[in-house]
Amino acid sequence: KQEVTQIPAALSVPEGENLVLNCSFTDSAIYNLQWFRQDPGKGLTSLLLIQSSQREQTSGRLNASLDKSSGRSTLYIAASQPGDSATYLCAAAEGTYKYIFGTGTRLKVLA
Amino acid sequence: GAVVSQHPSWVICKSGTSVKIECRSLDFQATTMFWYRQFPKQSLMLMATSNEGSKATYEQGVEKDKFLINHASLTLSTLTVTSAHPEDSSFYICSARDPKEGTDTQYFGPGTRLTVL
Repeated sequence: KQEVTQIPAALSVPEGENLVLNCSFTDSAIYNLQWFRQDPGKGLTSLLLIQSSQREQTSGRLNASLDKSSGRSTLYIAASQPGDSATYLCAAAEGTYKYIFGTGTRLKVLA
Repeated sequence: GAVVSQHPSWVICKSGTSVKIECRSLDFQATTMFWYRQFPKQSLMLMATSNEGSKATYEQGVEKDKFLINHASLTLSTLTVTSAHPEDSSFYICSARDPKEGTDTQYFGPGTRLTVL
């Protein structure tokens, strides 16, 4: 049974810092891995999707990497801003549709 | 990207009543929609997969008679929580797959917060 874990559970950093969020999964046979952002009481916004055959994806200040063999993915946020404060979720896709979500990392960027 | 809406955004009901939550794909036709539940400070758990014109597929441990799913059209899926109890209080989020964009793109709705008194 796939299990997805995220560390740290919470993180508080000063504005401008570069930071790394970690995601690990127990079953390497994933279809893809996706990172989401969730603001309090809101739905999910997809940030980056990495196919199983890919190693990384980049969008603006965000870079996500995937190492299937070790069951790990990282989300790198460069030059963090207060607007980046949110909960970040990673989700591993089993098959084509079913996502198993991690418990999230609550990020707070201090001005 | 595509837009998925949910209605209502929040609902408070008395124990024993039934509550219906709607999930709509606004600018695309979704053959498949998904329903997730999120308890406070926990992650999303897939409840069921809703396929247009056929019965929903429920995840293990989810009572299909309690959580009724209807996907009557290509743009609308509904989740009805029957005889709701306080332990059903949660954040319910739907997602929809746009078949034109390939198999791995799901668009998530803003969620519905259910509080059962």
